[in-house]
Order: sequence, then structure tokens, then C-alpha cells
Amino acid sequence: AQSVTQLGSHVSVSEGALVLLRCNYSSSVPPYLFWYVQYPNQGLQLLLKYTTGATLVKGINGFEAEFKKSETSFHLTKPSAHMSDAAEYFCAVSVSRAGSYQLTFGKGTKLSVIP
Amino acid sequence: DTEVTQTPKHLVMGMTNKKSLKCEQHMGHRAMYWYKQKAKKPPELMFVYSYEKLSINESVPSRFSPECPNSSLLNLHLHALQPEDSALYLCASSQDRLGETQYFGPGTRLLVL
Repeated sequence: AQSVTQLGSHVSVSEGALVLLRCNYSSSVPPYLFWYVQYPNQGLQLLLKYTTGATLVKGINGFEAEFKKSETSFHLTKPSAHMSDAAEYFCAVSVSRAGSYQLTFGKGTKLSVIP
Repeated sequence: DTEVTQTPKHLVMGMTNKKSLKCEQHMGHRAMYWYKQKAKKPPELMFVYSYEKLSINESVPSRFSPECPNSSLLNLHLHALQPEDSALYLCASSQDRLGETQYFGPGTRLLVL
């Protein structure tokens, strides 16, 4: 079964520092991978996704992620953290089931940005 | 337009009440989803509708009853809920293909007293 694992339930960075949120996947077939962000009391917003093609994916708000098949990873990075980046981040994989498609989420990583 | 709307934003109900949550999208998506999210947890899938037919029910208690009246609307009927059902309920929609982006609504914050 396809799944994702997020390493670190809570990450703290200083404003202006590099943001690195880790996600590893488990899949026997090429995966479709997503990063979503959730601000308090809001829904989930897509940051970026990997389907096929270029392994470095650029998303919104200056985030990017690199798909590394050899490491089964899809880590999310941003060169310089901003206070507005403080939120919960979810890695997810798209799976097929019962003739439909669903997302399987990681447990999430809460990002705190210290002024 | 990539908007999914949900009403109401907040709902407080007693254990004997009947209420409904509503979700709407106009992106032409043929798959729609209900999720339940507790604090500090990822969204937990409840139901999936594909082309207006229920395709996945994650063994959700019968006090939650989904309905898909047409391709743009999704309802979740609530009856005789328990306090542990208090959570953020999220609706999402997508094209019905592997790897398609799910677009989420802002959610309904439900409190069961």
C-alpha cells in the first residue's frame, strides 16, 4: 500500500532561515505526491505536486520540493522563512481504491517561525 | 475559479439535533469528498463520491449520512451525534483521475454538546 511518512511533528526555524520539511514515501509504482499547507481554522491549500517529468517542483509562496526516487523522498524546502509560513504542512500521496482515488496523508509537520 | 464553498462555517448542536453541512463546487469536478479533522491530526477520509455515486464509505457511523444531489453539491446530514464527533469537517473536490489535485473548502467547525 502506498503511504507517506513525515519526519518531525514540529519544526522551528528563525525568520530568514532555511525551511526543510521531510517526507518519505512508500510505493511500488511511480507515486503522485503533494504538499498541502493548512493555516489555523482553515482548509488545506495546495503548495505543489509531483506527477511525472521534472523532479524539482516549484510551488507557491517560494516553496519547492525535489522528488528523489533513490531516496524515496519528497522534501519541502524554502530558502528563507517568513513569519507568514507558520502553519501545518501535510505531505500526501494519491492512491487508487475501489474505482476511486483518494489522498493518503502524512501525520503533518507544524512549522513555527521565530522572529 | 478553484473555490470550494462550505456552509455553515460554525455549528453548535445538541446530541438530539438534526443538521446538515453543505458543500458546493463549480469546477466541473466529478469526485467529491468528506473529511473529518481533529486537532493536530491529518484529515481523515469519511466518504468519496464519484460521478454522484458513493464509492467509498470508511465505515463511518450511520449518524453521518452523505448525499450528492448533483455534480456540484455535496451534503452531510448529521443526527444524534456524540461529543466526540466535534471536529473540523472538510469538503474537497477533484477530477476523478489518479494524481489530480483535491481542492479543499474552508471547513465547518462542529461542536456537539
